[in-house]
Amino acid sequence: EAGVAQSPRYKIIEKRQSVAFWCNPISGHATLYWYQQILGQGPKLLIQFQNNGVVDDSQLPKDRFSAERLKGVDSTLKIQPAKLEDSAVYLCASSLGSSIGNQPQHFGDGTRLSIL
Amino acid sequence: GNSVTQMEGPVTLSEEAFLTINCTYTATGYPSLFWYVQYPGEGLQLLLKATKADDKGSNKGFEATYRKETTSFHLEKGSVQVSDSAVYFCVANTDKLIFGTGTRLQVFP
Repeated sequence: EAGVAQSPRYKIIEKRQSVAFWCNPISGHATLYWYQQILGQGPKLLIQFQNNGVVDDSQLPKDRFSAERLKGVDSTLKIQPAKLEDSAVYLCASSLGSSIGNQPQHFGDGTRLSIL
Repeated sequence: GNSVTQMEGPVTLSEEAFLTINCTYTATGYPSLFWYVQYPGEGLQLLLKATKADDKGSNKGFEATYRKETTSFHLEKGSVQVSDSAVYFCVANTDKLIFGTGTRLQVFP
């Protein structure tokens, strides 16, 4: 079974530039998650999709972050404009159902973003 | 609010030593509990889980028991190996995953 695919693995940009990350979940997984993991901290949920609908985006900084999952499969996360504090690893995860059903989440390797 | 607290690292051990990484949680209701592991340069992997009180999760020689009375889910392994060197995250599943800050384990031969 192929895992969660993310690209790029690394990205370096200057502040105020824009950046986009891509995620392809495990085939058949209805739920997709984006997390932000700042160095030395645990991952923090940014947004959760169930198919192509948003379930939870309460911790997404909507003034600069956006995410979409138009066809209910792969997803993109965008930051525009980037700030220094956005330097982090952005993790994508997927699960068969929602986390309420105790379905385990499968994580990609992440995209490491550095803001100069 | 919901939170997970785990011991700070790094934890440094010699090969074959006994490992304990403490974890406690604060949550409404009875969350499912997980330990995830992150090997260098890799993504998070589910290590083990327990879904109700007194359940014991186990995998690859690691164990953790869901203790409702102490709201704890401590990770243990009887004899660590160099290949166990990684960052370990204690996680509570309420309506979303709540991660601890992670504990780095370094095992030396």
